[in-house]
Amino acid sequence: EVQLVESGGGLVQPGRSLRLSCAASGFTFDHYAMHWVRQTPGKGLEWVSGISWNSDSVAYADSVKGRFTISRDSATNSLFLQMNSLRNEDTALYYCTKDHSPTVPASIRFDHWGQGALVTVSS
Amino acid sequence: QSVLTQPPSVSAAPGQKVTISCSGSSSNIGNNFVSWYQQLPGTTPKLLIYENNKRPSGIPDRFSGSKSGTSATLGITGLQTGDEADYYCGTWDSSLSAGVFGTGTKVTVL
Repeated sequence: EVQLVESGGGLVQPGRSLRLSCAASGFTFDHYAMHWVRQTPGKGLEWVSGISWNSDSVAYADSVKGRFTISRDSATNSLFLQMNSLRNEDTALYYCTKDHSPTVPASIRFDHWGQGALVTVSS
Repeated sequence: QSVLTQPPSVSAAPGQKVTISCSGSSSNIGNNFVSWYQQLPGTTPKLLIYENNKRPSGIPDRFSGSKSGTSATLGITGLQTGDEADYYCGTWDSSLSAGVFGTGTKVTVL
């Protein structure tokens, strides 16, 4: 059974940093691209970032470009999102998602989602 | 602000049909596959349709997808109370080099 478990969320002040992790299991992690998608409470989905199976290709939403960095570690089957210079508008539930394909550009065919990690940016 | 536009809400009686539109452009829907997701209240999104019109195993054939030009459509027939949820389209935008989701549509069963 595929499992994606996010961790690292919490309350942080504007301008500070936070690192999200996603522990993946139940599939061959280094065969698939992985993504982060966020959702502000009560609002819609926003794609944040994606990384190819071998980390050769990464992509970011304009809203986070230059501030967030996505990475992955095949040794520990983990996906990460380093979030720097956080803003109030980054407050959201961050989902780790598994793509069906290995590459970025992506299919946006996300066949498995984690439960999410809540990030709250507030002074 | 999303580059994919969906109606905020649609509704119909049980057993009826609803369609949800997703309007984009040549840089996204026009040249890339579209997926659709269902998000039931308090749950995580679930893949309903991929590659414009294909259903993952376990998704009933009451759900269908289509694409024409720069627009995509999700259809739900035989509407059930359990279909009350938010629905999102998603695709890749080749100009932005980024994934994009639609604004979301709330389906209400009257």
